[in-house]
Amino acid sequence: GAVVSQHPSRVICKSGTSVKIECRSLDFQATTMFWYRQFPKQSLMLMATSNEGSKATYEQGVEKDKFLINHASLTLSTLTVTSAHPEDSSFYICSASGSLAGTTETQYFGPGTRLLVL
Amino acid sequence: GDSVTQMEGPVTLSEEAFLTINCTYTATGYPSLFWYVQYPGEGLQLLLKATKADDKGSNKGFEATYRKETTSFHLEKGSVQVSDSAVYFCALKGGGSEKLVFGKGTKLTVNP
Repeated sequence: GAVVSQHPSRVICKSGTSVKIECRSLDFQATTMFWYRQFPKQSLMLMATSNEGSKATYEQGVEKDKFLINHASLTLSTLTVTSAHPEDSSFYICSASGSLAGTTETQYFGPGTRLLVL
Repeated sequence: GDSVTQMEGPVTLSEEAFLTINCTYTATGYPSLFWYVQYPGEGLQLLLKATKADDKGSNKGFEATYRKETTSFHLEKGSVQVSDSAVYFCALKGGGSEKLVFGKGTKLTVNP
């Protein structure tokens, strides 16, 4: 139980284009989803927290107009990197926590999306 | 603010060796504590957790005990395998907060 998927797993795009990453909770309702960014050999940096049906809360220093987050349903959140540039290349990981027993206390992580901007 | 400090790696062990990865925390109130594992090129997987003092989390031969008196949550395994090679993250979730606070991660390599 408590499986989170991400799509795509890898994406390569040209500088200036936008990329959408999907995060889905497959077997539970995710009331809260989190988006992280991980640089090579480093820990995870929380970018934003989103609750279903409301606007995301961004961490300090994260550009909300650049990293658009939508949490339209209890099983899906999307992160759109707009006008991507090479410095946006990174590993993006989502996580989810839910409203059912066993899923409220713990964040369950997706497998991550490797973004490379050329 | 809340923080997690874990031993810096990398840690290199031979198969069947004993593993300890130290983790200490600073938090107000009574946080929940977690160990996550990240295999190469993958996301994080929950390894074990403990939600109150003196709780012991265990999974796949790994154990960690929530020690309030020493504010620690050290990860141990009696006999590591090559397949345990990964990066291990200690994390806490403060009372009333949804956010996880991560340590910097410890890379473990187990050689045959």
